[in-house]
Amino acid sequence: GDSVTQKEGLVTLTEGLPVMLNCTYQTIYSNAFLFWYVHYLNESPRLLLKSSTDNKRTEHQGFHATLHKSSSSFHLQKSSAQLSDSALYYCALSGASSSFSKLVFGQGTSLSVVP
Amino acid sequence: NSKVIQTPRYLVKGQGQKAKMRCIPEKGHPVVFWYQQNKNNEFKFLINFQNQEVLQQIDMTEKRFSAECPSNSPCSLEIQSSEAGDSALYLCASSGDIYAEQFFGPGTRLTVL
Repeated sequence: GDSVTQKEGLVTLTEGLPVMLNCTYQTIYSNAFLFWYVHYLNESPRLLLKSSTDNKRTEHQGFHATLHKSSSSFHLQKSSAQLSDSALYYCALSGASSSFSKLVFGQGTSLSVVP
Repeated sequence: NSKVIQTPRYLVKGQGQKAKMRCIPEKGHPVVFWYQQNKNNEFKFLINFQNQEVLQQIDMTEKRFSAECPSNSPCSLEIQSSEAGDSALYLCASSGDIYAEQFFGPGTRLTVL
């Protein structure tokens, strides 16, 4: 079945340094959608980025990611971490060919940005 | 910002008790999902509906969980006989987009004593 792997469980960064959170996936569907959700404590998880287009960079709120189907990757990046970026980040996959498919989530990466 | 509403925000039950939580999806979204986020922050899909019909559900949901999305009423997820392992954050999401973007509510945190 579909799966998503986020290697890092916890990433601690100093403010101002670049962010890179890894995400790789497995799916049999060529038109799969990949997502990054951010989850702050006591808030709703919210969509940060999404993509289904190979080799196209997508950006939002300073974060960016490029879907690479050849390597099945969708890594999240930001040039300069801010204290407010501290949160849980989830990579997720919607792989089925039909619409309204469930999301398959990675294990999540807790990002902690320190002064 | 998501407009998915979940109630209650916190729920405390004893083992063997029923636990019921509700979700109002974003207006116009025909599909509702329920996920469980455990203490390790891992997400597990439970069930989804399109209008009033179940689309997919996992085995656990079929046996001890019941869910419905009646027309003109909130969707609900009920655990018939709560177990300690059911303690988790239950997240409802809705989708109206054929490109599968889901909007989440804040969740119901269930604690089973």
